[in-house]
Amino acid sequence: GAGVSQSPSNKVTEKGKDVELRCDPISGHTALYWYRQRLGQGLEFLIYFQGNSAPDKSGLPSDRFSAERTGESVSTLTIQRTQQEDSAVYLCASRFRQAGRYTIYFGEGSWLTVV
Amino acid sequence: QQQVKQSPQSLIVQKGGISIINCAYENTAFDYFPWYQQFPGKGPALLIAIRPDVSEKKEGRFTISFNKSAKQFSLHIMDSQPGDSATYFCAASKETSGSRLTFGEGTQLTVNP
Repeated sequence: GAGVSQSPSNKVTEKGKDVELRCDPISGHTALYWYRQRLGQGLEFLIYFQGNSAPDKSGLPSDRFSAERTGESVSTLTIQRTQQEDSAVYLCASRFRQAGRYTIYFGEGSWLTVV
Repeated sequence: QQQVKQSPQSLIVQKGGISIINCAYENTAFDYFPWYQQFPGKGPALLIAIRPDVSEKKEGRFTISFNKSAKQFSLHIMDSQPGDSATYFCAASKETSGSRLTFGEGTQLTVNP
């Protein structure tokens, strides 16, 4: 597709359940980011993948959160034993490099509601 | 060191007026400063970006002013239109290392007709 694709677009889950969120980056984009955005707030960095390098997991808020990426393609963000404070939009972004300059493009987000 | 502080939190401007949003950063290693525009229910979209080798960048009605010594940068929207009503986020990163973007808290802009 032309942009970063995320699924599901909306997810309502019960507290304590696990959820998986998927991100398909723009083809050819080597770097991929996950951010979290709580209602009315800024973007909070979660994790960053770059090629075959070890991911930067420094933003993951707890060990309930994990993410994987297969090569330079799809990534999944998994939240185990969801809590109400996990309710947020989870945004995926991929990065394009041209002539040493980077541009980062975001998907539409996965809206997670934990009830 | 990683913080980016953005102000104001909200801004109301009349159609045709100038909207000004300010950001300040701490990390002198930052070398890439984009602004993102976000409409309700949508992901942030890159609006305009600047690097520290210039003090101003203009694209249409949108201008970024950059003050390296003060570690501040701002977004100016000239001739603001109701369609500009959105949330604007400034961000910063160390582009040369391809690091993550650190975002400001956002400014909700409302342009009244």
